[in-house]
Amino acid sequence: GDSVTQMEGPVTLSEEACLTINCTYTATGYPSLFWYVQYPGEGLQLLLKATKADDKGSNKGFEATYRKETTSFHLEKGSVQVSDSAVYFCALTPNAGGTSYGKLTFGQGTILTVHP
Amino acid sequence: GAVVSQHPSWVICKSGTSVKIECRSLDFQATTMFWYRQFPKQSLMLMATSNEGSKATYEQGVEKDKFLINHASLTLSTLTVTSAHPEDSSFYICSALPLQGFKETQYFGPGTRLLVL
Repeated sequence: GDSVTQMEGPVTLSEEACLTINCTYTATGYPSLFWYVQYPGEGLQLLLKATKADDKGSNKGFEATYRKETTSFHLEKGSVQVSDSAVYFCALTPNAGGTSYGKLTFGQGTILTVHP
Repeated sequence: GAVVSQHPSWVICKSGTSVKIECRSLDFQATTMFWYRQFPKQSLMLMATSNEGSKATYEQGVEKDKFLINHASLTLSTLTVTSAHPEDSSFYICSALPLQGFKETQYFGPGTRLLVL
């Protein structure tokens, strides 16, 4: 079945440091890929997405590129802020229809803490 | 826009009682809603897919008689944990797939924390 593997956390950075959270996936066909963020005490929010190979998703200074050849979707940010402290989840959903439509498979989540 | 609410946000109950959790899409219609369970420091595990007007589809290993799901309208799905036991204590999260718009974007509720004593 489909699976998503994220780098182990937690990740602790100083403000303005560079961030990379690795994400690789296993899936049949061409899934859509997502990064979700969960701020303390809040629900998951979609951070960015990419629906086909070589697409780059971006939002709030975060970027991730859909790399089919390496089955990866690494999350990057050039300069993190304290407000970026949260849990980040990589996820995929099959693009095919049928009973799998819309189902998200999540990675285990990576806790990011940014210190001033 | 695209807000999903859950009620209650916190619930503590005695072992053997049933607990109902509501998931509402406040400003959009959703024919499909999903229910997840999240254990501490672990990922979200999909429990079931709820479709308006039809029976829910449960993931392998999830007891359908234990976790009753009803999707009575295009804006409301409920999860009832029947005869709850301490091992059912967890964080339950729902998400809704909009009827219109980019269908691959799900919107998540804030979650419901259940503690069974």
